[in-house]
Formats: sequence, structure tokens, C-alpha cells
Amino acid sequence: DVVMTQSPLSLSVTLGQPASFSCRSSQSLVHSDGDTFLTWFQQRPGQSPRRLIYKVSNRDSGVPDRFSGSGSGTDFTLEISSVEAEDVGLYYCMQGTRWPYTFGQGTKLEIK
Amino acid sequence: EVQLVESGGGLVQPGGSLRLSCAASGFTFNTCEMNWVRQAPGKGLEWVSYIWSSGSNKQYADSVKGRFTISRDNARNSLYLEMNSLRAEDTAVYYCAGSLSGYDPRGPWGQGTLVTVSS
Repeated sequence: DVVMTQSPLSLSVTLGQPASFSCRSSQSLVHSDGDTFLTWFQQRPGQSPRRLIYKVSNRDSGVPDRFSGSGSGTDFTLEISSVEAEDVGLYYCMQGTRWPYTFGQGTKLEIK
Repeated sequence: EVQLVESGGGLVQPGGSLRLSCAASGFTFNTCEMNWVRQAPGKGLEWVSYIWSSGSNKQYADSVKGRFTISRDNARNSLYLEMNSLRAEDTAVYYCAGSLSGYDPRGPWGQGTLVTVSS
């Protein structure tokens, strides 16, 4: 199985400052069709998860443009350009290139 | 409004069975790949099962293979998860979700339904 490793596990950021989340996979996530199926999810406290970014860098509908995704191969990053209070929660990366789908362990974002 | 509503969770004894349902609305369900994802209390997300829009391709996590069965009824806009031989480690909130991989741009999630396996 593809192992997804996120870092850091916890992030404390001042409002208005940027935040960066790292996700690394144990194998390349480039699919045979040329796409890279790396997804980011947000889970606010007490809520269901929500998809933020798919195929590395595509923002889902309704996701603020302060969220951006980048990366290739085995190394991926989610960035928030200016953290707001509503961004508090857990962030998970997931690979959908190979079966079984696998999630990272999550990074907890808190406000300093 | 796009909506996924799960039902069918509850308390079941080890070795028992349960059937989860997910009612979809607000989008063209019969063209959307679907998934079940679970989250044990205080833990992270675990993918459970996948089904293609037509039902022709199904995938399972090793932890549930042979015990869980995913299915869908496109005429009823519904997704199902039949769970047999339940174990304590299956205790979790089970979420119904659209595309996780982004192969399809539609990726909604439901509110989840709690399954507790305990004697």
C-alpha cells in the first residue's frame, strides 16, 4: 500500500500569517493516464470532512483562493496564504492513484 | 443543493450485521463514483470502499474485504454498505462521499452515521 506521511502533525499560526502543510507518498502518485490523484481534505471541529483540493492543485467549488496546492511525484504541499479563524481544524492528504486509497495521519491547525 | 444523508447506524453486537444507506440529492447521482470512509473515535480517516457510477467496479480496504459489500441503486439515488461479521474495531462514524480522488470534480460528503460494535 502507498504510505502517506504528513508533517508537521501540529501547526500553530498567528491570524493573517501563512501556513504550509507537507505530504509525502512512499511511491510516485503519477497515474498511468498522466494525472496525479493527490487530494487535500479539511475537517473543522465537530464537522464532516470536506474536499478542498483535488489532482494536486484544483480547488473545489466554494474553497477560498487563499488555499493552494502544489507538488509532483511524491512530494506535495497545501498552503494557506493568510490564515483565518475558520481554518482551524485537521487537514488530511489522500492518494487516489493506487488501490487501496490511503490517507495521511492528518495535521492539526491551531491559532496562536 | 448537493446533499448526502446517511442512515442505518447503531449499536450491534460483535459478529452482527448492519446495512448503511446514503441518500443523494442535488446532483446527477448515476454519473458519480461514490465511496464510504470511516473515522474511529478520536482517530483519522480510513477509506473503506468504492463503487463506479454504473456499479461495474468495486474496491475494498483489506480490513473489510470479504465482510462488507458496497452497492448502489441509481434509480433510487442511493448508496449502500452491507456490513457483516462486525468487529469492535469497525466502531466508527461512517461517511458517504462522492469522488475522493478528483477523477470526478464532484466530491460531496455526508454528515456521517455512527456504528458501535459492542456487547
